[in-house]
Amino acid sequence: EAGVVQSPRYKIIEKKQPVAFWCNPISGHNTLYWYLQNLGQGPELLIRYENEEAVDDSQLPKDRFSAERLKGVDSTLKIQPAELGDSAVYLCASSSATGETQYFGPGTRLLVL
Amino acid sequence: QKEVEQDPGPLSVPEGAIVSLNCTYSNSAFQYFMWYRQYSRKGPELLMYTYSSGNKEDGRFTAQVDKSSKYISLFIRDSQPSDSATYLCAMSGVSGSARQLTFGSGTQLTVLP
Repeated sequence: EAGVVQSPRYKIIEKKQPVAFWCNPISGHNTLYWYLQNLGQGPELLIRYENEEAVDDSQLPKDRFSAERLKGVDSTLKIQPAELGDSAVYLCASSSATGETQYFGPGTRLLVL
Repeated sequence: QKEVEQDPGPLSVPEGAIVSLNCTYSNSAFQYFMWYRQYSRKGPELLMYTYSSGNKEDGRFTAQVDKSSKYISLFIRDSQPSDSATYLCAMSGVSGSARQLTFGSGTQLTVLP
């Protein structure tokens, strides 16, 4: 069974540029999460989707971050414009409807110069 | 004060040693307790999962939860160089937004051959 797929794996951009990350969850998992992981820290939730609906986005900085999950499968996280402090790893995870356990993708490492 | 506290290490042990990793937490609503292993430049990988109090064993790994003390542990027996990674504890409540995972900051472990 394929795991959570994320792309790109690495991204280097200049500040004020836009950037987008893509995630394909495990087949059949209707809950999808986006996390931010800073160096030396644990992941912190940005947004959680149940199917197409964003049910928890309280930690998403909505002035510059946006996310969508069309058709309840793939998801895209966007930053516009990026700031230096956005340099981090962006992780996507998924779980089943009853799932207490989340399965993570490899992450996208973003460097903003 | 963070909801979940984890000693960041780094922790360095010789091959074959018994490793003890720990987390404390403050939120009494946490019911699910997990340990994730994260190799360098990879996403977190679920290692152990426990509901409520008690012990759970899986091969060389044992997870313990003491809810009365708000303290969880992961023991690794006969540690191997391949166990070298960052270990993240994570925990969540039962339903709705409480199912959001709260992570510790991770303990970096190196097992020396």
